[in-house]
Amino acid sequence: DQQVKQNSPSLSVQEGRISILNCDYTNSMFDYFLWYKKYPAEGPTFLISISSIKDKNEDGRFTVFLNKSAKHLSLHIVPSQPGDSAVYFCAALIEGKSTFGDGTTLTVKP
Amino acid sequence: KAGVTQTPRYLIKTRGQQVTLSCSPISGHRSVSWYQQTPGQGLQFLFEYFSETQRNKGNFPGRFSGRQFSNSRSEMNVSTLELGDSALYLCASSVSGANVLTFGAGSRLTVL
Repeated sequence: DQQVKQNSPSLSVQEGRISILNCDYTNSMFDYFLWYKKYPAEGPTFLISISSIKDKNEDGRFTVFLNKSAKHLSLHIVPSQPGDSAVYFCAALIEGKSTFGDGTTLTVKP
Repeated sequence: KAGVTQTPRYLIKTRGQQVTLSCSPISGHRSVSWYQQTPGQGLQFLFEYFSETQRNKGNFPGRFSGRQFSNSRSEMNVSTLELGDSALYLCASSVSGANVLTFGAGSRLTVL
């Protein structure tokens, strides 16, 4: 049973537009959520996080929203840039242990 | 400071062989975790080590094993390799109790 799901394997957006990446989870005990970005031939790098006691966290062009009642997490990138093209993983944590989604490949077209 | 270093970066093995992968964490990071990434499967948790002790283990067969040394460096071993073991193996380190993982670039294993 997959506890963290990213239902869209890929997403394509135009440069300057908003990118919205989604993540659903099943375990209400998850207490912390993160997004990682991965370029080819590199390991994932931390992007942004949110605690379960919050519903929004913003860092520059990146905003993460958490809807606990829906068990849904989303990452908004505004405006999207070609350099944002990468695989994005969401991760949910219980007691510091991370469970990852399958990833969404974002392509930002110039 | 130096990041997480994984060696080798690429390797090719044949079925039935065994392989050892190495990970040097960021200095001061005592927690080391291993993940397997395959196309469409995301990052599957293998195990986590802290202070030379396995603290958590994922749902992988016993052919997958690991260890951590006193300097926090870690190795993972896969015995009796199968074609399905072809994957990118990622190591991540963290300060104990921290939620953010710092990943290495990975070791890409191809089993023929």
